[in-house]
Amino acid sequence: KAGVTQTPRYLIKTRGQQVTLSCSPISGHRSVSWYQQTPGQGLQFLFEYFSETQRNKGNFPGRFSGRQFSNSRSEMNVSTLELGDSALYLCASRGMDQETQYFGPGTRLLVL
Amino acid sequence: LAKTTQPISMDSYEGQEVNITCSHNNIATNDYITWYQQFPSQGPRFIIQGYKTKVTNEVASLFIPADRKSSTLSLPRVSLSDTAVYYCLVGRTYNNNDMRFGAGTRLTVKP
Repeated sequence: KAGVTQTPRYLIKTRGQQVTLSCSPISGHRSVSWYQQTPGQGLQFLFEYFSETQRNKGNFPGRFSGRQFSNSRSEMNVSTLELGDSALYLCASRGMDQETQYFGPGTRLLVL
Repeated sequence: LAKTTQPISMDSYEGQEVNITCSHNNIATNDYITWYQQFPSQGPRFIIQGYKTKVTNEVASLFIPADRKSSTLSLPRVSLSDTAVYYCLVGRTYNNNDMRFGAGTRLTVKP
C-alpha cells in the first residue's frame, strides 16, 4: 500500500499571501488530520476531517482552514500568511476504528 | 489533558539496547500510548502502540506499568540509522485536540 503523500514538499511564500497544501491518505483511510511542527512549539494539532466533515479542531486562528473531498484527499489553506506560519505541515491518515495515525512526509513552508 | 515528559536527549553506541521513558501522569482511562520516530524534514514514522502491559513488534518493545503513568520504548541493538527524534504520544485519535506529543527525545547512536 502506498503511504500518505503530500504536495508540494517545499514552498516559499511572502507575508500576506495564501497557500494551499494537499494530502492524499493511505488507500481506504477516511480520516485525515493536519499538524503544524515548529522548533519552538513542537507538533500541534490543526484539525481532523472524516468523510468530508471536520471532526476536531485545534487551537489555531481562522486563517487556517481545510476541507476533504469525497475521495478522502484533503487540502489545507492558510490565508494572509505571517512569518510565524513558517513550519513543517504534516498530515496523517487513519483507518476507521483504528488508533494508529500514519504521517506523510510533510510540506515545508517558508514565509518571507 | 495528558501532558507527556521525555528526556531531551540520549546517547548510545551501536549494538546496545536503548530504553526511552515517557511520563504521562494524567493519562486518561481510554488513552493509548504511541511512539513515533522522526528524521530531519520527514514525517513521524509509527513505531509501536499500546494500552497496557507489554507490546512487541519487529522493531521495538513497549513496556507499560500497571498504573500507566509512564511507558518505556525499548530499541534492541541500535544502529547508526536509529539516530532520530523519538516522540511519545498519549491520547485517543477521536479527540485529536486532546492528544499531546512529547517534546521528543533526540537519540544519537555512535559507532
